[in-house]
Amino acid sequence: EVQLEESGGGLVQRGGYVRLSCTASGFSFSSYWMSWVRQAPGKGLQWVANIKQDGSEKYYVDSVKGRFIISRDNAKNSVYLQMSGLSAADTAVYYCARARVVAREYYYYYMDVWGKGTAVTVSS
Amino acid sequence: AIQMTQSPSSLSASVGDRVTITCRASQDMRIDVSWYQQKPGEAPKVLIYAASSLQSGVPSRFSGSGSGTDFTLTINSLQPEDFATYYCLQDYNYPWTFGQGTKVEI
Repeated sequence: EVQLEESGGGLVQRGGYVRLSCTASGFSFSSYWMSWVRQAPGKGLQWVANIKQDGSEKYYVDSVKGRFIISRDNAKNSVYLQMSGLSAADTAVYYCARARVVAREYYYYYMDVWGKGTAVTVSS
Repeated sequence: AIQMTQSPSSLSASVGDRVTITCRASQDMRIDVSWYQQKPGEAPKVLIYAASSLQSGVPSRFSGSGSGTDFTLTINSLQPEDFATYYCLQDYNYPWTFGQGTKVEI
């Protein structure tokens, strides 16, 4: 069964650091882009970061640039999100997702497998 | 960043109704849009990718259309399990951006 499982969330102090992990199973992890998406309480979805199959390309939403780092370890079938300089605005459920690419006249991406999410709460 | 303006923000519908949700992009983005369904307490689930391609396993009552700046998700014959929040997402360029969401209520 294709699965993603996040871990590492919890209560963290303002200005603090947390590292989220996402472990994949049931598919060839190293063949896929991976994403992190977050959802603040009662709010909509926000894409956070992407990482290419070999880790050579990384992209971030502007609000986390310089504070968050996405990385992966293909040998461990895992993707990570290191989060520092945390504020209340980072309080959210963080989802890990597999980004699938469809090659036609252009490349089209979509997130077809999602984990259940891990909650991060930033306290003051 | 590209803005995805989704409308309506919520709607009330009945079982059997046809429902249409739209997303308007702030710039031309070919067909680089996907649609997601999210139920309370659950992770999102992809319904449509590349504007109109139905994800495997998704019922055919869901359909997507559009290109350029205007995109539509249509649910034909709404079923009880379709009451949820729906989001569009653009992957045309970074940062990827979601629409604000449309809550479909009974």
